[in-house]
Amino acid sequence: ETGVTQSPTHLIKTRGQQVTLRCSSQSGHNTVSWYQQALGQGPQFIFQYYREEENGRGNFPPRFSGLQFPNYSSELNVNALELDDSALYLCASSLDLLLEQYFGPGTRLTVT
Amino acid sequence: GQQLNQSPQSMFIQEGEDVSMNCTSSSIFNTWLWYKQEPGEGPVLLIALYKAGELTSNGRLTAQFGITRKDSFLNISASIPSDVGIYFCAGQKGVYNTDKLIFGTGTRLQVFP
Repeated sequence: ETGVTQSPTHLIKTRGQQVTLRCSSQSGHNTVSWYQQALGQGPQFIFQYYREEENGRGNFPPRFSGLQFPNYSSELNVNALELDDSALYLCASSLDLLLEQYFGPGTRLTVT
Repeated sequence: GQQLNQSPQSMFIQEGEDVSMNCTSSSIFNTWLWYKQEPGEGPVLLIALYKAGELTSNGRLTAQFGITRKDSFLNISASIPSDVGIYFCAGQKGVYNTDKLIFGTGTRLQVFP
């Protein structure tokens, strides 16, 4: 059974640029959630995708957008990057909206 | 964004000691989860709790869902060096994943041999 994988591992971008982060869900899981984890804090929910549709969103502006593909992998896109977007971005997958989510290792984004 | 309050913020203990940490909220939750995160990795699910008063164990870890549904507790018995990490509680108001999972502020655990 393959766990949740994320790419890239690290990324450095300049303020104003756009970024795309990728996530492959655990085998058999059809639900993907994205989280932002600032240094020293717990993860903050960005949004969730279930069977290719957005199924809930946290308090993040529209420049944070996502996508889920038929194989249930997912992308997180962030436009017009700001310095405060620097964080660890975590993807978590689960089966059929169940609460037991399994996290990937994260993508460390640095915005300069 | 909203975060749950965890205490203590950090703990420095000797190998073999027992550990207790808790998580509190001003709102009622119907599900509590406990995660452990090590440096450079994502959180790993330890225990899930679905009913008020529920007590669940996973090896040396025991977690309880508070009767008021506003808190949860995690105990680690006979700590070992590999228990080092940050422990997060997470709560959700629904039973299914239709509402966002809210994480705590974390308890950092250091274990000395």
